[in-house]
Amino acid sequence: NAGVTQTPKFQVLKTGQSMTLQCAQDMNHEYMSWYRQDPGMGLRLIHYSVGAGITDQGEVPNGYNVSRSTTEDFPLRLLSAAPSQTSVYFCASSSPRGSGGAETQYFGPGTRLLVL
Amino acid sequence: AQSVTQPDIHITVSEGASLELRCNYSYGATPYLFWYVQSPGQGLQLLLKYFSGDTLVQGIKGFEAEFKRSQSSFNLRKPSVHWSDAAEYFCAVVLRGTYKYIFGTGTRLKVLA
Repeated sequence: NAGVTQTPKFQVLKTGQSMTLQCAQDMNHEYMSWYRQDPGMGLRLIHYSVGAGITDQGEVPNGYNVSRSTTEDFPLRLLSAAPSQTSVYFCASSSPRGSGGAETQYFGPGTRLLVL
Repeated sequence: AQSVTQPDIHITVSEGASLELRCNYSYGATPYLFWYVQSPGQGLQLLLKYFSGDTLVQGIKGFEAEFKRSQSSFNLRKPSVHWSDAAEYFCAVVLRGTYKYIFGTGTRLKVLA
């Protein structure tokens, strides 16, 4: 198993550009999530999904869109990038099995995004 | 408001010394509790988790954590630190029945040879 994969590893954008960060997992996990990591702020939840067709907002959803058309993929879209979105983005997945968030999350290696 | 606090931003210990990293949470009920470790340039890896039952939880790499309801704490400990333990450690919580994880701001551990 490849686990959780993220592409690209690094991206530079200009203010106002759009892009999609890709996340895929091959563990058949129902739950997938996106976080951003900023110095001194830990990881903050952007969006999450408990299954195909179901998404919900986390702590910092503004400026980001998600969709979940398959179990494997959970892309994160930046519609109009801003310098405040410069960060490291992590995707994670788990298999809650009805436990309401009690299961281990498996993290991808991260995407480093710089918005100029 | 719900929150997770890791009061120590940096901790430095000598190799072989004991370690305790602090984590406090503020929730109306006992959440699920986790400790993750992040090595430089890497994603996060789970060290241990607490759902219920025995308040002393054993994890990987010789780590353990103790849940204390009266103090709303879930401190991470290791009896003897190895140089390879140098990393950043995150406490995380999720309210039971939800999927909204909240992470602490992290504690960066430096190990002196």
